[in-house]
Amino acid sequence: NAGVTQTPKFQVLKTGQSMTLQCAQDMNHNSMYWYRQDPGMGLRLIYYSASEGTTDKGEVPNGYNVSRLNKREFSLRLESAAPSQTSVYFCAARADGELFFGEGSRLTVL
Amino acid sequence: GEDVEQSLFLSVREGDSSVINCTYTDSSSTYLYWYKQEPGAGLQLLTYIFSNMDMKQDQRLTVLLNKKDKHLSLRIADTQTGDSAIYFCAESEASNTGKLIFGQGTTLQVKP
Repeated sequence: NAGVTQTPKFQVLKTGQSMTLQCAQDMNHNSMYWYRQDPGMGLRLIYYSASEGTTDKGEVPNGYNVSRLNKREFSLRLESAAPSQTSVYFCAARADGELFFGEGSRLTVL
Repeated sequence: GEDVEQSLFLSVREGDSSVINCTYTDSSSTYLYWYKQEPGAGLQLLTYIFSNMDMKQDQRLTVLLNKKDKHLSLRIADTQTGDSAIYFCAESEASNTGKLIFGQGTTLQVKP
């Protein structure tokens, strides 16, 4: 998973708190993605960014916002966390048809 | 919309062959992928197949694509305990966004 770094790796929040998941890639890729992984549901796309300065909704965008400040970084923000957002979040960057994933951020909302 | 389906669990004995199956809906997908996820880790690309191919072999891995039935399979020969993981099938979305649509994942358990 070299090349895509996510922070934090673990986080516990209370309902209503906000937080930002950070993602950075050092491979100079244009496209970046945020997925969430839940048991029995595979990976579902939250938001993606085809290039610096552009973002688009994926399959499950509600409750999230994203920011692509530069080519390297793509952050995911939860403005008011809910227990339904307890999940493992993966950032990915795409190059030459392959997605490179970060190691994941495990978020628990109480 | 696009959908990718996999069975959730497969158990095999060490040394046997494993076959993980996947069905997809988007007939215009350019590439189909198999990713592997080990416990506590992210996903790593195992192999992929271009949609105009029927088969691709890479060491112990064989990918078969039946485009007519929209069926993809991954065969692992001589399965080892280190192959125990979750395997995800994915298809590339028809638009040029680079998005991948993932299946639910198949947990492969390899018994010694």
